[in-house]
Amino acid sequence: SQQGEEDPQALSIQEGENATMNCSYKTSINNLQWYRQNSGRGLVHLILIRSNEREKHSGRLRVTLDTSKKSSSLLITASRAADTASYFCATDALGAQKLVFGQGTRLTINP
Amino acid sequence: DVKVTQSSRYLVKRTGEKVFLECVQDMDHENMFWYRQDPGLGLRLIYFSYDVKMKEKGDIPEGYSVSREKKERFSLILESASTNQTSMYLCASRMAGTGRNYGYTFGSGTRLTVV
Repeated sequence: SQQGEEDPQALSIQEGENATMNCSYKTSINNLQWYRQNSGRGLVHLILIRSNEREKHSGRLRVTLDTSKKSSSLLITASRAADTASYFCATDALGAQKLVFGQGTRLTINP
Repeated sequence: DVKVTQSSRYLVKRTGEKVFLECVQDMDHENMFWYRQDPGLGLRLIYFSYDVKMKEKGDIPEGYSVSREKKERFSLILESASTNQTSMYLCASRMAGTGRNYGYTFGSGTRLTVV
Protein backbone atom coordinates (compact mmCIF):
# COMPACT_ATOMS: atom_id res chain seq x y z
CA SER A 1 0.00 0.00 0.00
CA GLN A 2 1.29 3.42 -0.88
CA GLN A 3 1.30 5.93 1.94
CA GLY A 4 3.25 8.88 0.61
CA GLU A 5 1.64 10.90 -2.14
CA GLU A 6 3.81 13.43 -3.95
CA ASP A 7 2.57 16.59 -5.54
CA PRO A 8 3.01 17.62 -8.28
CA GLN A 9 3.55 14.50 -10.36
CA ALA A 10 5.74 16.47 -12.73
CA LEU A 11 7.50 19.82 -12.48
CA SER A 12 9.49 21.70 -15.11
CA ILE A 13 11.45 24.84 -14.23
CA GLN A 14 14.34 26.93 -15.50
CA GLU A 15 17.86 26.43 -14.25
CA GLY A 16 18.54 28.66 -11.27
CA GLU A 17 14.94 28.64 -10.03
CA ASN A 18 13.82 26.90 -6.86
CA ALA A 19 11.86 23.64 -7.00
CA THR A 20 9.34 22.62 -4.36
CA MET A 21 7.80 19.19 -4.05
CA ASN A 22 5.23 18.10 -1.52
CA CYS A 23 4.42 14.81 0.16
CA SER A 24 1.38 13.81 2.18
CA TYR A 25 1.01 10.65 4.24
CA LYS A 26 -1.61 8.92 6.35
CA THR A 27 -0.23 7.33 9.51
CA SER A 28 2.07 8.27 12.38
CA ILE A 29 5.72 8.05 11.49
CA ASN A 30 9.19 7.62 12.98
CA ASN A 31 10.71 9.59 10.15
CA LEU A 32 10.23 10.69 6.57
CA GLN A 33 12.89 10.39 3.91
CA TRP A 34 13.49 11.82 0.45
CA TYR A 35 15.23 9.98 -2.37
CA ARG A 36 16.35 10.88 -5.87
CA GLN A 37 16.32 8.57 -8.88
CA ASN A 38 18.10 9.33 -12.10
CA SER A 39 16.54 7.76 -15.16
CA GLY A 40 16.86 3.98 -15.16
CA ARG A 41 18.96 3.85 -12.02
CA GLY A 42 18.55 3.01 -8.34
CA LEU A 43 17.38 5.45 -5.70
CA VAL A 44 19.79 7.60 -3.76
CA HIS A 45 19.01 8.71 -0.22
CA LEU A 46 18.98 12.52 0.10
CA ILE A 47 17.77 13.46 3.55
CA LEU A 48 15.88 12.11 6.55
CA ILE A 49 13.75 14.13 8.94
CA ARG A 50 12.57 12.67 12.22
CA SER A 51 9.05 13.07 13.54
CA ASN A 52 10.20 15.49 16.25
CA GLU A 53 11.97 17.76 13.75
CA ARG A 54 10.29 20.52 11.77
CA GLU A 55 12.99 21.55 9.34
CA LYS A 56 16.28 20.20 8.08
CA HIS A 57 18.89 21.44 5.64
CA SER A 58 21.53 19.69 3.56
CA GLY A 59 23.39 21.82 1.04
CA ARG A 60 20.79 23.17 -1.41
CA LEU A 61 18.08 20.96 0.06
CA ARG A 62 15.57 22.07 2.66
CA VAL A 63 12.98 19.68 4.06
CA THR A 64 10.07 20.60 6.28
CA LEU A 65 7.76 18.31 8.18
CA ASP A 66 4.34 19.11 9.60
CA THR A 67 3.13 16.10 11.56
CA SER A 68 -0.20 17.76 12.39
CA LYS A 69 -0.98 17.98 8.68
CA LYS A 70 0.91 14.78 7.84
CA SER A 71 2.84 16.53 5.14
CA SER A 72 6.39 17.31 4.10
CA SER A 73 8.02 19.46 1.47
CA LEU A 74 11.36 19.29 -0.29
CA LEU A 75 12.86 22.52 -1.59
CA ILE A 76 15.80 22.50 -3.97
CA THR A 77 17.31 25.96 -4.26
CA ALA A 78 19.23 27.34 -7.24
CA SER A 79 18.41 24.32 -9.38
CA ARG A 80 20.89 22.85 -11.84
CA ALA A 81 20.47 20.68 -14.91
CA ALA A 82 21.96 17.80 -12.92
CA ASP A 83 18.99 17.98 -10.53
CA THR A 84 16.78 16.56 -13.29
CA ALA A 85 15.47 13.31 -11.79
CA SER A 86 12.50 11.76 -10.03
CA TYR A 87 12.11 12.51 -6.34
CA PHE A 88 10.37 10.19 -3.91
CA CYS A 89 9.27 10.60 -0.35
CA ALA A 90 9.20 7.53 1.88
CA THR A 91 7.67 7.10 5.30
CA ASP A 92 8.95 4.96 8.13
CA ALA A 93 5.72 4.33 10.00
CA LEU A 94 5.48 3.58 13.69
CA GLY A 95 5.54 -0.17 14.25
CA ALA A 96 6.52 -0.94 10.67
CA GLN A 97 9.69 -2.64 9.51
CA LYS A 98 9.84 -1.10 6.08
CA LEU A 99 9.60 2.15 4.18
CA VAL A 100 6.61 2.95 2.04
CA PHE A 101 7.32 5.04 -1.03
CA GLY A 102 5.16 7.49 -2.88
CA GLN A 103 4.91 7.55 -6.66
CA GLY A 104 7.36 10.37 -7.08
CA THR A 105 7.69 13.79 -8.67
CA ARG A 106 9.41 14.00 -12.03
CA LEU A 107 11.56 17.16 -11.98
CA THR A 108 12.97 18.62 -15.19
CA ILE A 109 15.44 21.50 -15.08
CA ASN A 110 15.62 23.38 -18.37
CA PRO A 111 18.96 25.04 -19.21
CA ASP B 1 32.66 3.05 -0.89
CA VAL B 2 29.84 0.98 0.60
CA LYS B 3 27.36 -0.39 -1.84
CA VAL B 4 24.59 -2.74 -2.87
CA THR B 5 25.33 -4.70 -6.02
CA GLN B 6 22.72 -6.26 -8.24
CA SER B 7 24.19 -8.90 -10.49
CA SER B 8 22.58 -7.79 -13.76
CA ARG B 9 21.52 -4.42 -15.15
CA TYR B 10 19.41 -5.96 -17.91
CA LEU B 11 17.90 -9.43 -18.26
CA VAL B 12 15.71 -10.98 -20.91
CA LYS B 13 14.01 -14.24 -20.00
CA ARG B 14 11.39 -16.46 -21.55
CA THR B 15 7.95 -17.12 -20.11
CA GLY B 16 8.05 -20.09 -17.76
CA GLU B 17 11.75 -19.82 -16.96
CA LYS B 18 12.96 -19.80 -13.37
CA VAL B 19 14.77 -16.50 -12.80
CA PHE B 20 17.21 -15.58 -10.07
CA LEU B 21 17.98 -11.95 -9.24
CA GLU B 22 20.95 -11.58 -6.96
CA CYS B 23 21.73 -8.77 -4.55
CA VAL B 24 24.87 -8.43 -2.43
CA GLN B 25 25.70 -5.74 0.13
CA ASP B 26 29.03 -5.08 1.78
CA MET B 27 27.80 -3.01 4.72
CA ASP B 28 26.95 -5.82 7.17
CA HIS B 29 23.31 -4.67 7.12
CA GLU B 30 20.70 -6.89 8.73
CA ASN B 31 17.70 -5.68 6.72
CA MET B 32 17.34 -6.26 3.00
CA PHE B 33 14.46 -5.51 0.65
CA TRP B 34 13.22 -6.26 -2.85
CA TYR B 35 10.99 -3.75 -4.65
CA ARG B 36 9.62 -3.63 -8.13
CA GLN B 37 9.02 -0.33 -9.89
CA ASP B 38 6.45 0.18 -12.62
CA PRO B 39 5.27 3.39 -14.32
CA GLY B 40 2.30 4.85 -12.53
CA LEU B 41 2.58 2.39 -9.64
CA GLY B 42 5.74 3.59 -7.93
CA LEU B 43 7.82 1.22 -5.82
CA ARG B 44 6.05 -1.80 -4.42
CA LEU B 45 7.61 -4.08 -1.82
CA ILE B 46 7.84 -7.74 -2.81
CA TYR B 47 9.72 -9.31 0.11
CA PHE B 48 12.05 -8.24 2.86
CA SER B 49 14.38 -9.93 5.28
CA TYR B 50 15.43 -8.60 8.67
CA ASP B 51 18.11 -11.23 9.28
CA VAL B 52 19.74 -14.34 7.86
CA LYS B 53 17.20 -17.03 6.96
CA MET B 54 14.35 -14.70 7.91
CA LYS B 55 11.87 -13.41 5.35
CA GLU B 56 8.62 -11.51 5.33
CA LYS B 57 6.10 -10.97 2.57
CA GLY B 58 5.66 -7.47 1.31
CA ASP B 59 2.70 -6.06 -0.57
CA ILE B 60 3.00 -8.13 -3.76
CA PRO B 61 4.72 -11.49 -3.02
CA GLU B 62 2.67 -13.61 -5.41
CA GLY B 63 4.81 -15.31 -8.03
CA TYR B 64 8.04 -14.60 -6.12
CA SER B 65 10.14 -16.23 -3.45
CA VAL B 66 13.37 -15.20 -1.74
CA SER B 67 16.44 -16.72 -0.17
CA ARG B 68 18.75 -15.29 2.49
CA GLU B 69 21.34 -17.92 3.36
CA LYS B 70 24.09 -15.40 4.13
CA LYS B 71 23.83 -11.97 5.63
CA GLU B 72 25.27 -10.18 2.63
CA ARG B 73 23.14 -11.86 -0.06
CA PHE B 74 19.41 -11.63 -0.72
CA SER B 75 18.08 -13.42 -3.78
CA LEU B 76 14.75 -12.90 -5.49
CA ILE B 77 13.37 -15.88 -7.37
CA LEU B 78 10.69 -15.87 -10.02
CA GLU B 79 9.51 -19.47 -9.96
CA SER B 80 7.94 -19.35 -13.42
CA ALA B 81 8.43 -16.02 -15.13
CA SER B 82 5.43 -14.36 -16.72
CA THR B 83 5.14 -11.30 -18.94
CA ASN B 84 3.46 -9.32 -16.15
CA GLN B 85 6.69 -9.63 -14.18
CA THR B 86 8.47 -7.45 -16.72
CA SER B 87 9.66 -4.59 -14.53
CA MET B 88 12.55 -2.78 -12.86
CA TYR B 89 13.64 -4.64 -9.74
CA LEU B 90 15.40 -2.75 -6.97
CA CYS B 91 17.25 -4.21 -4.02
CA ALA B 92 18.00 -2.19 -0.89
CA SER B 93 19.57 -2.69 2.50
CA ARG B 94 19.55 -0.98 5.88
CA MET B 95 21.13 -1.47 9.27
CA ALA B 96 18.71 -2.70 11.91
CA GLY B 97 17.91 -0.82 15.12
CA THR B 98 19.43 2.65 14.90
CA GLY B 99 19.61 2.08 11.18
CA ARG B 100 16.11 3.50 11.14
CA ASN B 101 17.79 6.87 11.49
CA TYR B 102 19.52 6.34 8.20
CA GLY B 103 18.18 5.75 4.76
CA TYR B 104 18.19 2.71 2.58
CA THR B 105 21.08 2.01 0.27
CA PHE B 106 19.81 0.89 -3.11
CA GLY B 107 21.39 -1.11 -5.88
CA SER B 108 21.39 0.16 -9.45
CA GLY B 109 18.41 -1.97 -10.39
CA THR B 110 17.77 -4.86 -12.76
CA ARG B 111 15.49 -4.26 -15.70
CA LEU B 112 13.86 -7.60 -16.42
CA THR B 113 11.98 -8.30 -19.62
CA VAL B 114 9.97 -11.51 -19.90
CA VAL B 115 9.12 -12.48 -23.47
